[in-house]
Order: sequence, then C-alpha cells, then structure tokens
Amino acid sequence: DAGVTQSPTHLIKTRGQQVTLRCSPKSGHDTVSWYQQPLGQGPQFIFQYYEEEERQRGNFPDRFSGHQFPNYSSELNVNALLLGDSALYLCASSVPWGTGANVLTFGAGSRLTVL
Amino acid sequence: GIQVEQSPPDLILQEGANSTLRCNFSDSVNNLQWFHQNPWGQLINLFYIPSGTKQNGRLSATTVATERYSLLYISSSQTTDSGVYFCAVRGDNQGGKLIFGQGTELSVKP
Repeated sequence: DAGVTQSPTHLIKTRGQQVTLRCSPKSGHDTVSWYQQPLGQGPQFIFQYYEEEERQRGNFPDRFSGHQFPNYSSELNVNALLLGDSALYLCASSVPWGTGANVLTFGAGSRLTVL
Repeated sequence: GIQVEQSPPDLILQEGANSTLRCNFSDSVNNLQWFHQNPWGQLINLFYIPSGTKQNGRLSATTVATERYSLLYISSSQTTDSGVYFCAVRGDNQGGKLIFGQGTELSVKP
C-alpha cells in the first residue's frame, strides 16, 4: 500500500522564480494538507484541500497557492520566491475532517533551497 | 490560537536508557499525534492519542486531556530512536489543521 508520495525530493531555485511541488495521497485518503518546515522548527500549516477546493488556510501570503485534482493528488505553487521560502515542504493526507479518527500521514517532503 | 510547548528541547541518552518527553497545550483538543522525524525529514506517525494511554513495543504515550498535556515514553532506547519528536494537536474549533510544537531532539549514543 503506497503511502504519501511527493516530488521532487530536492530542488534549488533563485529569488523571484516560481516553483510547483506535487503530492499523491495515501490510498483511501481524499484530503490533502500542506505544511512548511523551516530548518530547526516545527511544521506550519499552509492550507488544506478537499473536493478540489481550499477548505482552510494558514497564515501564508497569496504567493502560496494550491490545487487538488479529481484523483485527489495536489500541487503547491509558490510565486516570486524569497530567500525565506527555503524549507522542507510536507504533504499530508487524511480522511475528511469530522469523519472519524483524523490521523495525518505525511510524505517524505520536498526540500526547497532559494538562492 | 492554541499553543503547544514541548520539553525538553534536547535530550542525550546512552543506549538502553529510558526517557519521557512532554507536550503541553493551551486549549482543548480533539486530535493529538506524536511523530518521529528521521534525519531525512520523514515524519512517522507514532501515536494518535487525543486521550488515554497507548503502547507500541518500547514506546507508549499518555494524554490527560483535562490537564492539557501528553507524555511520550521511550524505554530501552536504541540509536535508531535518534531524531526529532513532535507533538501536534488540533483544537476543537481549528478545522483540519494540526499545530506542531517545536520538537524534542533526541540523540541516543551507543
């Protein structure tokens, strides 16, 4: 049973560029959340997608946007990259909130370096 | 918003020792998970434990929701237990997002 898969695993960008990160949820999960983890800190919630819509958003600027596809996979897009966007980006999947034990399963992450 | 504090921030153990990690949270929660993050960044779910006690091998966890804390016990530690342990909670009116603590970095020496 495949868990949560993310791509790419590592990438390097320069300031001002745009990046797209991808996530496929665990089989049986239809809700996808994205987290940003700066070095030495705990993960911070970016947003959550369910039924192809952004259902909840954390305290991140509009430069961070996302999408969920009919097969439940998701993309995270970051525009106009800043040095401070360098972090590990984690995708987590789960069953919909409110439908029982809402255990999040995380992927291995995409490590973004902005130069 | 809900605050999550973990202690201690760092812990160094000799192989075979036992340890207790603590997570305090500032409001009532309906979801609490303990994670282990390995050196490659993968977050592994250890326990889903919004209340009560659970055990899995050498690891066990207890959450006392009324007193707003959770404990993770590691017995007979091994070098493979090294890494960062995170507690994450979801508040009753927080929708689907988890709020993470800053983690406890554990180093187990042979």
